[in-house]
Amino acid sequence: EAGVVQSPRYKIIEKKQPVAFWCNPISGHNTLYWYLQNLGQGPELLIRYENEEAVDDSQLPKDRFSAERLKGVDSTLKIQPAELGDSAVYLCASSFSDQETQYFGPGTRLLVL
Amino acid sequence: EDKVVQSPLSLVVHEGDTVTLNCSYEVTNFRSLLWYKQEKKAPTFLFMLTSSGIEKKSGRLSSILDKKELSSILNITATQTGDSAIYLCAVLIQGAQKLVFGQGTRLTINP
Repeated sequence: EAGVVQSPRYKIIEKKQPVAFWCNPISGHNTLYWYLQNLGQGPELLIRYENEEAVDDSQLPKDRFSAERLKGVDSTLKIQPAELGDSAVYLCASSFSDQETQYFGPGTRLLVL
Repeated sequence: EDKVVQSPLSLVVHEGDTVTLNCSYEVTNFRSLLWYKQEKKAPTFLFMLTSSGIEKKSGRLSSILDKKELSSILNITATQTGDSAIYLCAVLIQGAQKLVFGQGTRLTINP
């Protein structure tokens, strides 16, 4: 069974530029999560989807971050414009339901210059 | 505020040693506790512990949940260099249905 797929794996951009990350969850997993992981810290939840509905986006900085999960499968996380402090690893995870174990993708390492 | 704290933050041992990693939590509504191993980037699931399953074992790894002390330990016996990684502890919050992670323990196994 394929795991969670994310792309790109690495991204380097200049500040004020837009950037987008893509995630394909494990087949059949209804719940999808985006996490932010700063160096030396554990992941922090940005947004959780149940199918195509964002059920928890309380930690998403909505002035510059947006996300979508059209058709309840793949998801895209966007930052516009990026700031220096956005440099981090962006992890996507999925689970069969919000009660079950979350499985993580390899993440996208973003560097904003 | 929900909080998960891991200790030590960093640990260096020799191959063959036994290590114990600690995780304590203060959360509003506990559902389960999970351990992940993170090499390079993707956290890999190790164990889930709930009120009905407070001890788990897989090979050289084992974990115990102490609901009275609001803590958990992860034991690794006969460590190997391949065990070098960051070990993350997370608590699943009932109701909010979100994972709150600790800061991780960086384990280094020297040959």
